[in-house]
Amino acid sequence: AQTVTQSQPEMSVQEAETVTLSCTYDTSESDYYLFWYKQPPSRQMILVIRQEAYKQQNATENRFSVNFQKAAKSFSLKISDSQLGDAAMYFCAYRSARYSTLTFGKGTMLLVSP
Amino acid sequence: GAGVSQSPRYKVTKRGQDVALRCDPISGHVSLYWYRQALGQGPEFLTYFNYEAQQDKSGLPNDRFSAERPEGSISTLTIQRTEQRDSAMYRCASSFLTGANYGYTFGSGTRLTVV
Repeated sequence: AQTVTQSQPEMSVQEAETVTLSCTYDTSESDYYLFWYKQPPSRQMILVIRQEAYKQQNATENRFSVNFQKAAKSFSLKISDSQLGDAAMYFCAYRSARYSTLTFGKGTMLLVSP
Repeated sequence: GAGVSQSPRYKVTKRGQDVALRCDPISGHVSLYWYRQALGQGPEFLTYFNYEAQQDKSGLPNDRFSAERPEGSISTLTIQRTEQRDSAMYRCASSFLTGANYGYTFGSGTRLTVV
C-alpha cells in the first residue's frame, strides 16, 4: 500500500519570503502522479500543483514549484514570495496511474506573518 | 453545476440515528468519489463511482456505511446507527473521467458531528 508522509505539522514564513514544505511517499509502482492541495479556512480543497512521475522536469505554477526526486521518493513544495493568502493547510497526495483514488498525507499547516 | 455541491454543510445527529449526506457533482463528470477527513488528518478514501456503478468500496469502514448513485449523477452516502467515531468532514469529489490524467474537483464537505 502506498503511504504519504508529511513530517512538518506546522511551518511559518514571513510575507515575501520563501518556504518549502516536505513530502515523502512510499510506492512500488513506477507510474504515478503527485499533487499538492491547499485547504484554507473556507474548507475547500484546492489543487495547487501536480507532477507526473514520468516527467523529469519539475512542475511550476506561478509562485509554486516542486522539487521531485523520484529515486528518493520525495516531493517538496516551494512557495516563493509568500502572501498572507497562502496561509492554509497543505496536503501532499499520491495517485497511482492504475487506480483512481488519492492517498493523502496528514498535512502541514502554513502560517504566514506580515 | 459550476462546482461540486454538498449538503448539508453541517449535520449534528444523535448517536444511533441514520444520516444521509448528499453530493451533486459537476455536470457531465463521470467519476464521483467520497472521502472522510478526521480532525488533524488528511482525507481518506471511502468509495467511488463511474456513472452509477460503484467501482471500489474498499474504504468504507464497516457495513453501516453505504453509498449510491442511482442515475449516475447525484450520490448519497448513508451512515446507519451513527457512532461518535463517525464524526468527521465528509468530502465528495468528481472528475470528468476515471484516470490520473483527470484532476478531481472537491466539494466543500459536510461536517458531521455525532453527539
